[in-house]
Amino acid sequence: AQSVTQLDSQVPVFEEAPVELRCNYSSSVSVYLFWYVQYPNQGLQLLLKYLSGSTLVESINGFEAEFNKSQTSFHLRKPSVHISDTAEYFCAVSDSGYNKLIFGAGTRLAVHP
Amino acid sequence: DTGVSQDPRHKITKRGQNVTFRCDPISEHNRLYWYRQTLGQGPEFLTYFQNEAQLEKSRLLSDRFSAERPKGSFSTLEIQRTEQGDSAMYLCASSLGPPGQGNSPLHFGNGTRLTVT
Repeated sequence: AQSVTQLDSQVPVFEEAPVELRCNYSSSVSVYLFWYVQYPNQGLQLLLKYLSGSTLVESINGFEAEFNKSQTSFHLRKPSVHISDTAEYFCAVSDSGYNKLIFGAGTRLAVHP
Repeated sequence: DTGVSQDPRHKITKRGQNVTFRCDPISEHNRLYWYRQTLGQGPEFLTYFQNEAQLEKSRLLSDRFSAERPKGSFSTLEIQRTEQGDSAMYLCASSLGPPGQGNSPLHFGNGTRLTVT
């Protein structure tokens, strides 16, 4: 069965510093991979996704993630974070039937001035 | 696109009572999902519908839980004889199709927070 491991439960970082949120998955089949973001008191929103093609995917607000099949990873990065990026970030993988998403436990990103 | 709407936002109930939550998906979305999220954890899959058909239920979903989606529009999730362990955020999401198919990401509602005392 598919599973997702987010290696850091909390990541504190200063504003304008780079950040990497780590995500590893396990699967016996090809997968689709997603990052969702949850801002305080809001629902989960799709940040970016990997379905096929280029292994580097980008979001509109400067985040990027790279699919690495050999390392079964899909780490999320941003070269310079803003206070407004403070949120919880969830990595998700499609199940073997490609019918639903399986989520990791989340990483709380706290950006400090 | 008015988004996925969930009602109520908060529910406090006593152990042993029944509760029902409602989810209104984005109108043209065929798929509707229920997830549960507890503190410090990611969303856990409970069940999903394709139109009015319930196609999959998680083993997490005990026989005290039942979900319906009459006419393929809104959905309800009922929990009978609530237990303190049922306290969680219940999330609803909808999509045009399967997660990886074309442009059909899951759109989530803001959730219903259940507290069982």
